[in-house]
Amino acid sequence: AQTVTQSQPEMSVQEAETVTLSCTYDTSESDYYLFWYKQPPSRQMILVIRQEAYKQQNATENRFSVNFQKAAKSFSLKISDSQLGDAAMYFCAYRSARDDKIIFGKGTRLHILP
Amino acid sequence: DGGITQSPKYLFRKEGQNVTLSCEQNLNHDAMYWYRQDPGQGLRLIYYSQIVNDFQKGDIAEGYSVSREKKESFPLTVTSAQKNPTAFYLCASSLTTGAYNSPLHFGNGTRLTVT
Repeated sequence: AQTVTQSQPEMSVQEAETVTLSCTYDTSESDYYLFWYKQPPSRQMILVIRQEAYKQQNATENRFSVNFQKAAKSFSLKISDSQLGDAAMYFCAYRSARDDKIIFGKGTRLHILP
Repeated sequence: DGGITQSPKYLFRKEGQNVTLSCEQNLNHDAMYWYRQDPGQGLRLIYYSQIVNDFQKGDIAEGYSVSREKKESFPLTVTSAQKNPTAFYLCASSLTTGAYNSPLHFGNGTRLTVT
């Protein structure tokens, strides 16, 4: 069975600085997709960024980028120029292309220090 | 506007009663998912469905049941067999086969409290 692990329950970063959230996963599948979601205090889930496992190039969305290391089964999220609005829970997710199962890690709560 | 609707936002039940949480989407998505969120536990998958009249157990299906009679609807029943039902429940939908890079669209959630 697949698993997703986020080893940092909480992190803090100074406003305008850069922070990296870690995510590792375990799978025997070769075809899958990875996502980062953000959950602000409103609890509404918001897609941050996605990565197809077959793509070697790391995905980038404005201030958000990933470091995807397929062999190491690692999918970290880098947030540059951190803003107060980035404060939220961040969840890493794995989607199987075999059975469409989507599982999440336990999340990392990110605090932005003004 | 298309979206996914969960109702009600807050639900209170007495122990021993079954309760059904509603989830409706008008995004024309084939796949629908139910998650349970507890503090420090992330989102745990309860059930999911890729197509009408078919669904699969997730990682914590015990004490829950679902149906998928219509593409738009995926109700979740929390039965009296669920030992710790008080939680925040999230429903989500997505495109599926051929579009696995499509993100999940989430409802606003239902907070269930059982006393």
